[in-house]
Amino acid sequence: EVQLVESGGGLVKPGGSLRLSCEASGFTFSIYSMNWVRQAPGKGLEWVASIGSASDHIYYADSVKGRFTISRDNAKNSLYLHMNSLRAGDTAVYYCASVRATDDFWGQGTLVSVSS
Amino acid sequence: DIQMTQSPSSLSASVGDRVTITCRASQDIGNDLGWYQQKPGKAPKRLIYAASTLQSGVPSRFSGSGTGTEFTLTISSLQPEDFATYFCLQHTSYLITFGQGTRLDIK
Repeated sequence: EVQLVESGGGLVKPGGSLRLSCEASGFTFSIYSMNWVRQAPGKGLEWVASIGSASDHIYYADSVKGRFTISRDNAKNSLYLHMNSLRAGDTAVYYCASVRATDDFWGQGTLVSVSS
Repeated sequence: DIQMTQSPSSLSASVGDRVTITCRASQDIGNDLGWYQQKPGKAPKRLIYAASTLQSGVPSRFSGSGTGTEFTLTISSLQPEDFATYFCLQHTSYLITFGQGTRLDIK
């Protein structure tokens, strides 16, 4: 069974940092590009960042560029999102996901709340 | 970046109705489009991939069509469990983008 399990969310003050993790199982993680996608309360889905299977092809949404860093460790079947200089507007459920034509995997999400 | 424009943003319908949701891409994305259903507190669930292929296990009342820049999701006969929010997603490049979503409510 394919599973993506996110962790690391929580309450953080504006300007603070968090590191999200996503542990994958049930598929060959090392050959899949991966994404972080977020959803603010009551809002739609927003792509945050993506990373190629070999940690190449790294891209960020303009809203997080320079503040967030996506990375992965294929030996640990894990995806990460380092978030710095957090703002209230970053409050959201963060999902890790892999989207391809034939495969589509999503985690259950982890909530990040940025508030003083 | 590719922009996805989805309409309508909300829709009220009754059980048994036929409904159609549309997504328009700002440039040609071939058939690199999926349709998703999301219920409160849950991760999105893909219904359609490659614009028109039904995901395994998804009821046949869901169908997708289109290619290039215009795409449509149709639910042929709404069931009570179909009242949810629907999104399109394009993945023609590493920079995936979503439609704004359509909230489908019971009339």
